[in-house]
Amino acid sequence: AQKVTQAQTEISVVEKEDVTLDCVYETRDTTYYLFWYKQPPSGELVFLIRRNSFDEQNEISGRYSWNFQKSTSSFNFTITASQVVDSAVYFCAQNSGYSTLTFGKGTMLLVSP
Amino acid sequence: DVKVTQSSRYLVKRTGEKVFLECVQDMDHENMFWYRQDPGLGLRLIYFSYDVKMKEKGDIPEGYSVSREKKERFSLILESASTNQTSMYLCASSLSFHRDLNTEAFFGQGTRLTVV
Repeated sequence: AQKVTQAQTEISVVEKEDVTLDCVYETRDTTYYLFWYKQPPSGELVFLIRRNSFDEQNEISGRYSWNFQKSTSSFNFTITASQVVDSAVYFCAQNSGYSTLTFGKGTMLLVSP
Repeated sequence: DVKVTQSSRYLVKRTGEKVFLECVQDMDHENMFWYRQDPGLGLRLIYFSYDVKMKEKGDIPEGYSVSREKKERFSLILESASTNQTSMYLCASSLSFHRDLNTEAFFGQGTRLTVV
């Protein structure tokens, strides 16, 4: 069975601070995929990134970066120099081959001016 | 751009009513999903479909049914709405696992259903 844990329910930061959202996953599969989604107040989930289990390279996209570590089963997401527009609920998710996505419970990020 | 459209943003229904939530996608995706989102519980899968007229139960199918008569449309049906079905409902679609194992799912804007 798959499980995704996002231990942080809510994080509050002030603009320009860096913030890291934690994600820990559990799976018995050797091939699996990890995802991050953003849900702004409008409600629609927006895809941010996917990573397969064979690619442990970290990735950077602008102010966003992701750190994938198989040794600790973690796929953490860092926002550098946070902005008010980053305020949203962020979901980590996982699937393995032909299975459906399993989501964590989400982390609400509040960035204040 | 992939477009997943849910027919309503907000719905208010009475207990016992039969409720239809409609979802349409325009990218020829084989897979379609219905999730329910509640505070503190994240997204939970209700039903999904790999193909037309095909459906599979997710984690919380009780009280729901689905219909997929056409590839682009996936309907969620609440046979007799109850107050504990008040929630945000999210529809999603993705490519077939046979075409792309690591495909991401694309989501609609959500339907906030209130059952009174």
